[in-house]
Formats: sequence, C-alpha cells, structure tokens
Amino acid sequence: DAGITQSPRHKVTETGTPVTLRCHQTENHRYMYWYRQDPGHGLRLIHYSYGVKDTDKGEVSDGYSVSRSKTEDFLLTLESATSSQTSVYFCAIYGGRNTEAFFGQGTRLTVV
Amino acid sequence: KNQVEQSPQSLIILEGKNCTLQCNYTVSPFSNLRWYKQDTGRGPVSLTIMTFSENTKSNGRYTATLDADTKQSSLHITASQLSDSASYICVVSAKGNKLVFGAGTILRVKS
Repeated sequence: DAGITQSPRHKVTETGTPVTLRCHQTENHRYMYWYRQDPGHGLRLIHYSYGVKDTDKGEVSDGYSVSRSKTEDFLLTLESATSSQTSVYFCAIYGGRNTEAFFGQGTRLTVV
Repeated sequence: KNQVEQSPQSLIILEGKNCTLQCNYTVSPFSNLRWYKQDTGRGPVSLTIMTFSENTKSNGRYTATLDADTKQSSLHITASQLSDSASYICVVSAKGNKLVFGAGTILRVKS
C-alpha cells in the first residue's frame, strides 16, 4: 500500500470554529491534492500543491486554505467551518504524468 | 471547462453477468485517463491507466478502452462478482497534472 495517511479520520466540530486536516505521505511525490466528496457530485478539487510552498486553487476553494511547508505534509484548513463543509475529504498523492495516483482513506467531517 | 461525464449514474446487474460503463470527457490537453474503483467508505483504488496512444488495457476481469479522437472511454467488467459492487470513477489528467474526476457510476451486483 502507498504511504499516505490522513488525520483525523473522523471529526465533529461546531460552526465557526477553525479545523485543520492533515495529509502525510512517505512516497516523496511532488503533487498532493485535497478533494471533497458529496453525494451526487463525485470528487471535487479544493486545492492542490505541486511542490513545497507551491499551491493553487481548485474548483471549490472558497472557505479553505492549504499549506505545504515540507514535501510529506499537506494541510487543509477550514478557517471558520460552516455546515456546507460537512463532507468526506480525500487527500491524493501523485508523481506526475503517467504514474500512479494514490488516495488516502478519507476524513469524515461533520459541522454542527 | 474541463469536464468528465459518466453514464449510467447507477446500474444493477446479476452476479455472473457482464456490464459496460461509459466515460466522455472534454479535458484538453489530455495526458492520460484512469479508472478507479471506490468501495463504500474507502478511498479510490486504481484499476487502469491509459495514455492517448493506448486503445485498451486490462486488469483481470476489468478491460478499459479509449478512443482519444471521440474522447470516449469505457470500462467493461466480465463475469461480475458481488465484490464488484462499488463506485467506478473515470479520471482524466489535465494540464498541470490536475486530475479531473467524473461523478462516478454506482454498480450493484445482486446474487
């Protein structure tokens, strides 16, 4: 199995609180991604990173920020959680071009 | 806008039967196309990867085809098993190594 770990796996938080999700890899892959998955929408890209301190927005980036201070860690922060951010969040790592992309097991976030 | 459309949305088949899932994309420029299987509550797992020069690729009972001219791909599952029940997701690699996902086809195999 590819070395990718998401934490926490489950979290319940209150509206308005900040939340940080962590994605950790041991594969030394350049590209890292954060997606959310909601019923009927499939996986939608939030933010991605193409190297340390190099990040860019995806299609649903509003309300989210990311940081990548070292190759192995990609953090997703909800500055002030809202109920619409209740979702399952997946991290992915990718070596680029025609290499394999691997996904974490997901983090189920509930904002109440 | 880069898009990946999958059909059908959901499908129910009897164990042992074959089925074909469809994927149409408008992603350009195109690097490669992948099919993933996602079991409930788990992350997607890769089944196949095809570049624009490949027409078909197999992985056991899974066979993917690609027509880069018409921007269509299909995933054929042979002799389905109960364990094939899952969501099947078509993913296209776009410029900048961004992965564009389809919404998936939910397959249920009944005994």
